[in-house]
Amino acid sequence: GQQVQQSPASLVLQEGENAELQCNFSTSLNSMQWFYQRPGGSLVSLFYNPSGTKHSGRLTSTTVIKERRSSLHISSSQTTDSGTYLCALDPYTGYQNFYFGKGTSLTVIP
Amino acid sequence: DPKIIQKPKYLVAVTGSEKILICEQYLGHNAMYWYRQSAKKPLEFMFSYSYQKLMDNQTASSRFQPQSSKKNHLDLQITALKPDDSATYFCASSQNTLYFGAGTRLSVL
Repeated sequence: GQQVQQSPASLVLQEGENAELQCNFSTSLNSMQWFYQRPGGSLVSLFYNPSGTKHSGRLTSTTVIKERRSSLHISSSQTTDSGTYLCALDPYTGYQNFYFGKGTSLTVIP
Repeated sequence: DPKIIQKPKYLVAVTGSEKILICEQYLGHNAMYWYRQSAKKPLEFMFSYSYQKLMDNQTASSRFQPQSSKKNHLDLQITALKPDDSATYFCASSQNTLYFGAGTRLSVL
């Protein structure tokens, strides 16, 4: 958790608004992954994004290694986007290991 | 079909007892993990295994013991259970991308 900082901790949007979620890390990066979790649910992988920009529908992930940050952009938010978004860092340690941020709790209201 | 199977889905235990949480993955991954998530805390890394060998252990208590009988199995034995152990325990595996099971929700009374 200390290696990965997520912001904001929580966010409330009106349906249709856009959101930008940030993940900052303090160590070297082997890979970065974004997850979505509903309350009481499992974690669903949104992006595996070690560098650059990736798109999936209304979601965009951008990882900038030099700046030690990754972002998740949600466009035209919907009520079904509500939940927690977590980023996970795999630092370069010789083997894979994933450390999570505390997450951003997103609530989209109609 | 779920590729990472965790059993049971729900588990109720009494303080002081011992339980085993089961995890099997059918993704052909060599790395497997256990994470814990309690109501008031973020997702917490516990163990990582690679080729059935322990790579990292960030669980302070020896009451938590992973067991890997097969390459695609990583069970979690918890002894002398305490109410603070109540949480959802997630098993995961990876080969670059990390995938999670549905979790075992443990309640210790």
